[in-house]
Amino acid sequence: AQSVSQHNHHVILSEAASLELGCNYSYGGTVNLFWYVQYPGQHLQLLLKYFSGDPLVKGIKGFEAEFIKSKFSFNLRKPSVQWSDTAEYFCAVKGGGSYIPTFGRGTSLIVHP
Amino acid sequence: DVKVTQSSRYLVKRTGEKVFLECVQDMDHENMFWYRQDPGLGLRLIYFSYDVKMKEKGDIPEGYSVSREKKERFSLILESASTNQTSMYLCASQPASGGTYEQYFGPGTRLTVT
Repeated sequence: AQSVSQHNHHVILSEAASLELGCNYSYGGTVNLFWYVQYPGQHLQLLLKYFSGDPLVKGIKGFEAEFIKSKFSFNLRKPSVQWSDTAEYFCAVKGGGSYIPTFGRGTSLIVHP
Repeated sequence: DVKVTQSSRYLVKRTGEKVFLECVQDMDHENMFWYRQDPGLGLRLIYFSYDVKMKEKGDIPEGYSVSREKKERFSLILESASTNQTSMYLCASQPASGGTYEQYFGPGTRLTVT
């Protein structure tokens, strides 16, 4: 069975600080990787995804993530956060052959202006 | 744009009541999901449907059932609501082919059982 671990449960930053949210998964085969974001009062939406090819993927609002296969990791990064990035972030992994992704427990990010 | 709608944003029910949560998607997606979202626990899959009348149990199906009579509609049923089912319920849809299998979520229903 696949599992996803998000190391940071709560992160508090000031505006302009750099962000890195960790995500590790356990699954031995081909994976599809996702980061979803849930802004306060809004529905969960896709931030970025890795399917194949370049392991460095860019998403919306200046976010990027790097797939490191040898480390089973898919960390989310942003060089300079804004107050509007305050949200909950979920990493998800879908193993090959299954439709069903496994979600991490989420990281709550608060950005102070 | 894919649109997933849920019948209620907020719902308050009494213990023992039968509760229906409905979800409708407009993109002809084959797959639909029901999750519950609790603080610190992330999203936990309750049920998954990959076609009309087809369903699979997720990680926490106890106390829930589902119905998918039409492709666009997926209902979650709490046969006899209990206080430990107070939660945020999220519906999602997903194409079964031709894409990257990302999920599209509805706005959620916050259910309180008193």
